[in-house]
Amino acid sequence: AQKVTQAQTEISVVEKEDVTLDCVYETRDTTYYLFWYKQPPSGELVFLIRRNSFDEQNEISGRYSWNFQKSTSSFNFTITASQVVDSAVYFCALYVIQGAQKLVFGQGTRLTINP
Amino acid sequence: GAVVSQHPSWVICKSGTSVKIECRSLDFQATTMFWYRQFPKQSLMLMATSNEGSKATYEQGVEKDKFLINHASLTLSTLTVTSAHPEDSSFYICSARRLAGGLVETQYFGPGTRLLVL
Repeated sequence: AQKVTQAQTEISVVEKEDVTLDCVYETRDTTYYLFWYKQPPSGELVFLIRRNSFDEQNEISGRYSWNFQKSTSSFNFTITASQVVDSAVYFCALYVIQGAQKLVFGQGTRLTINP
Repeated sequence: GAVVSQHPSWVICKSGTSVKIECRSLDFQATTMFWYRQFPKQSLMLMATSNEGSKATYEQGVEKDKFLINHASLTLSTLTVTSAHPEDSSFYICSARRLAGGLVETQYFGPGTRLLVL
C-alpha cells in the first residue's frame, strides 16, 4: 500500500523566514513519482514539482527547493525568504507505476505567512 | 503549459436537481481524467478515474449512479451529480493527465467547482 504523511497540519511564520514542509512516503515499489502541489485560497491546485524515484538530486527553483532522500523516504520542501503570497495549503503526493496508478495525497500542510 | 478548465466554478441548486460539471484540457489531450472531492480543510478524495471512450472506474464507496462520469473525448470529461442533496455540497476538482510514449506525465488540476445544494 502507498501512503503519504505530512505531519505538519499548520505552520505559521513571519514573512522573510525560511520554512520547511515535511513529506514522508511509503511504498514497496522501486519506481514511483513524487509531487508537490500548492492550493491557494482560490482552490486551484498548482503543480510545483515532479521527481522520479531514480533521481535524488535536489532541486532549486527560485525561492523553492526540494530535498529528496530515499534513505528516509522523505521529499521535503523549503521556501526561502517566505512571502505573504506563499500562504496556501501544500500537498505532497505519490504516484506508483504499478498497481492502481493514481496519485496518493498527503493531508496537506496549511502555511500562513504573516506580514 | 498544461491548462485544465472547469465549468461552472460555482453552482447553487435546489435539492433533487441534477448538476453537470465540465472539465476540459485546453492545450493537451488527456487520455485519463480524474474527479476529486474535497471537504473543507481536508485533502483531496479521489472519486473516479475515467479513460476516454470507456467506463469510469469508481473508488470504493462512491455511488456510480449518483455521480455519472462521461469522458467522451480526449479533451472533455463531465461529472453529473444526479438528484443532488445537501450532503453533496462540496468542492469538486477535476484533473487531467496525458501519457506520452508510455511515460508518466504530470496530473494537472482544474480550478474546481463549488457546489451548494439547498
